[in-house]
Amino acid sequence: NAGVTQTPKFQVLKTGQSMTLQCAQDMNHEYMSWYRQDPGMGLRLIHYSVGAGITDQGEVPNGYNVSRSTTEDFPLRLLSAAPSQTSVYFCASSSRRGRGTGELFFGEGSRLTVL
Amino acid sequence: DAKTTQPNSMESNEEEPVHLPCNHSTISGTDYIHWYRQLPSQGPEYVIHGLTSNVNNRMASLAIAEDRKSSTLILHRATLRDAAVYYCILTVTGGYKYIFGTGTRLKVLA
Repeated sequence: NAGVTQTPKFQVLKTGQSMTLQCAQDMNHEYMSWYRQDPGMGLRLIHYSVGAGITDQGEVPNGYNVSRSTTEDFPLRLLSAAPSQTSVYFCASSSRRGRGTGELFFGEGSRLTVL
Repeated sequence: DAKTTQPNSMESNEEEPVHLPCNHSTISGTDYIHWYRQLPSQGPEYVIHGLTSNVNNRMASLAIAEDRKSSTLILHRATLRDAAVYYCILTVTGGYKYIFGTGTRLKVLA
């Protein structure tokens, strides 16, 4: 089972460049989300989505855009990368059936370095 | 959003029980209590969740205080593979904000 797949696993950017982190899940989960984890820290919620066409902001949304055109995919866009966005990014999904009780399934993470 | 408070770190001897505490004094009546753990260099994984009653599964037990202002994750026999950061999270039914705190880093001593 593929579960939650994130690409790329590693990326180095220069300040000001843009890029998209991809996230795909094959479990037909309605809920998807993006987190960032800085060294030695916990996870912080960036954006989340409860279904196709619906997105909302988390704790740290500035500098990131998301869209949800399909149930399977939830890409995270960095419009103009900054060194402060150097972090490990995790995508997670959950069945909406639990409405807040569902188990979150995480991807393996994408390590981003901005020079 | 309701917040949780956990100790930064704890130690346990291998094959002994571990009790990981979490305070959530601002919890509301419909907030579920979730626990996740993160092994080194991996994404978090689900451990257990509950609302009011104590819960058991193959990984752990969750003991919830009667006033729901605190909870305890119980690992019945710690192994070296249980060394991880454990996160206590509140989720609001009807909402989907799973807000992670800084967690408790559990060290298991052989």
